[in-house]
Amino acid sequence: SAVISQKPSRDICQRGTSLTIQCQVDSQVTMMFWYRQQPGQSLTLIATANQGSEATYESGFVIDKFPISRPNLTFSTLTVSNMSPEDSSIYLCSGVKDRAETQYFGPGTRLLVL
Amino acid sequence: SQQGEEDPQALSIQEGENATMNCSYKTSINNLQWYRQNSGRGLVHLILIRSNEREKHSGRLRVTLDTSKKSSSLLITASRAADTASYFCATVETGANNLFFGTGTRLTVIP
Repeated sequence: SAVISQKPSRDICQRGTSLTIQCQVDSQVTMMFWYRQQPGQSLTLIATANQGSEATYESGFVIDKFPISRPNLTFSTLTVSNMSPEDSSIYLCSGVKDRAETQYFGPGTRLLVL
Repeated sequence: SQQGEEDPQALSIQEGENATMNCSYKTSINNLQWYRQNSGRGLVHLILIRSNEREKHSGRLRVTLDTSKKSSSLLITASRAADTASYFCATVETGANNLFFGTGTRLTVIP
């Protein structure tokens, strides 16, 4: 298994600013992912964080808006850039040790943009 | 959209009763997983069933998978108030590694 922590757990931000969310895993994982969960909705995959290379983004998400880093096998960051109220969501990271197997999720970062 | 559908969207039962949630998906899958989420917090993995499996048990949980109908069900037996949460199915498509989540079922167990 893997234990994942995220920082910050929540934040209130002003429109036009950026926030970087950190995701730390207590052991090496093969793959890491970032999801968004809008209020009352299910999870939508933003991107796969690739170690040492550019993230792979899903349709509707772009690097300029959601830059992602993954410098090693246990850490990743997601930045929400030039925020607007529509970016108010919970952002969750996850990791998987074996491809296509169980994903372990962080507790999420609850973001409110005013 | 690759997102699966779950029904019911919301389910309210008395403690001790069984709860059944259904999930339908659209593509060929490697496996299907069920997760629980309490009050907008992180997700907890419950069970994984592979495409060549038809039924799996874990404690009070029973999951079935019908790949011909592209559907799965999650049964929670002898429910408890602590089971109150949102339950999501998620699929891993054949050849992929990431999860696509269903719409979720909000379960309320009344003490």
